Amino acid sequence: EIVLTQSPGTLSLSPGERATLSCRASQSVSSSYLAWYQQKPGQAPRLLIYGASSRATGIPDRFSGSGSGTDFTLTISRLEPEDFAVYYCQQYGSSLYSFGQGTKLEIK
Amino acid sequence: QITLKESGPTLVKPTQTLTLTCTFSGFSLSTSGVGVGWIRQPPGKALEWLALIYWNDDKRYSPSLKSRLTITKDTSKNQVVLTMTNMDPVDTATYYCAHTYYDFWSGYYSAFDIWGQGTMVTVSS
Repeated sequence: EIVLTQSPGTLSLSPGERATLSCRASQSVSSSYLAWYQQKPGQAPRLLIYGASSRATGIPDRFSGSGSGTDFTLTISRLEPEDFAVYYCQQYGSSLYSFGQGTKLEIK
Repeated sequence: QITLKESGPTLVKPTQTLTLTCTFSGFSLSTSGVGVGWIRQPPGKALEWLALIYWNDDKRYSPSLKSRLTITKDTSKNQVVLTMTNMDPVDTATYYCAHTYYDFWSGYYSAFDIWGQGTMVTVSS
């Protein structure tokens, strides 16, 4: 089973700043089956990025994903007020799926 | 438009069996490539993948919960049912179902692209 470790646990930034979130896998994620989700309080998660770097439908281009193998990054180029939320990475496409523990992005 | 909605009891007693139903529209589980997964989230904690079923009845389970979980589909009713035995207070969580698919043309699996709103289940005597 692949264990995903996200860092940092909490990231405090101001609107307009750049956010960089990390997700590290305990073993290589095949075919870059790595996704990122955004979750706001009281809401279901929303898919942002799949295949490590492809944006889901309707996701603004300030969100970008990169990485391969065991190291992946979600970058938000210029934070908008609505971007402050919890972000989860997930590996999928194999027999077993798993999520990271999440990064909370809070307003500084 | 794809939608999913979870339903089931809001309160179960320890040792009881939980049965949750995911009722969906906008797709069919008889269509090649389509899948539905279950994910849960204890209050204030992270997401945890539970199980997944594909159109061809291929089933996958979280190793840590496999002995307690059963996932089935009813194609005629557009439903996926998850049962979890021997419930414990640590199983208190919001339970989500979500849509996924395998793209035969590209040979790639999708992530969970559409989610239900979730249903909160409390385990307490």
